[in-house]
Amino acid sequence: KQEVTQIPAALSVPEGENLVLNCSFTDSAIYNLQWFRQDPGKGLTSLLLIQSSQREQTSGRLNASLDKSSGRSTLYIAASQPGDSATYLCAVKASGSRLTFGEGTQLTVNP
Amino acid sequence: DAMVIQNPRYQVTQFGKPVTLSCSQTLNHNVMYWYQQKSSQAPKLLFHYYDKDFNNEADTPDNFQSRRPNTSFCFLDIRSPGLGDAAMYLCATSRVQLDIGNEQFFGPGTRLTVL
Repeated sequence: KQEVTQIPAALSVPEGENLVLNCSFTDSAIYNLQWFRQDPGKGLTSLLLIQSSQREQTSGRLNASLDKSSGRSTLYIAASQPGDSATYLCAVKASGSRLTFGEGTQLTVNP
Repeated sequence: DAMVIQNPRYQVTQFGKPVTLSCSQTLNHNVMYWYQQKSSQAPKLLFHYYDKDFNNEADTPDNFQSRRPNTSFCFLDIRSPGLGDAAMYLCATSRVQLDIGNEQFFGPGTRLTVL
């Protein structure tokens, strides 16, 4: 059974700092890994999708990497801003249509 | 803009009173999903439709049912809501592409309160 773990559960940083969020998964036989952002009481916004054949994806200040063999992904956020405060979820897709989610990292960026 | 729409955004129901949540999509995706997310927890897949084929997760309670009358719409029916069913319900869609993982797009969610 696929399990996804995100560390840390919560992170508080000053504005402008570069930061890394971690995601690990137990079964490396995945099709893709997706990073989402969730604001309080809201739905999920897809940030980046990495296919299993890819090693990284970039969008603006965000960079996500994937090391399938070690079962790890990182989300790098450059020059963090207060507007980046949210919960960040990673999810992996294995066989079938199911996404398996981690429980998220709650990020607070302080002005 | 193509999107996933959920109505209502907030729903209050009474213990045991049936409730229906609605999801529609303009993406023309063939797969639609319903997730339940409780506070500070990961979203949990309840079931999904691949076109008209319904796929129920093994641990989804019988109290939860779904209907997909056409490609664009999918409904979540909770027959007898209990206090433990209070949660955010998230609808998502994806377009199946052979041999690669398809991206899922989520709606804004419906927050269900059970009194």
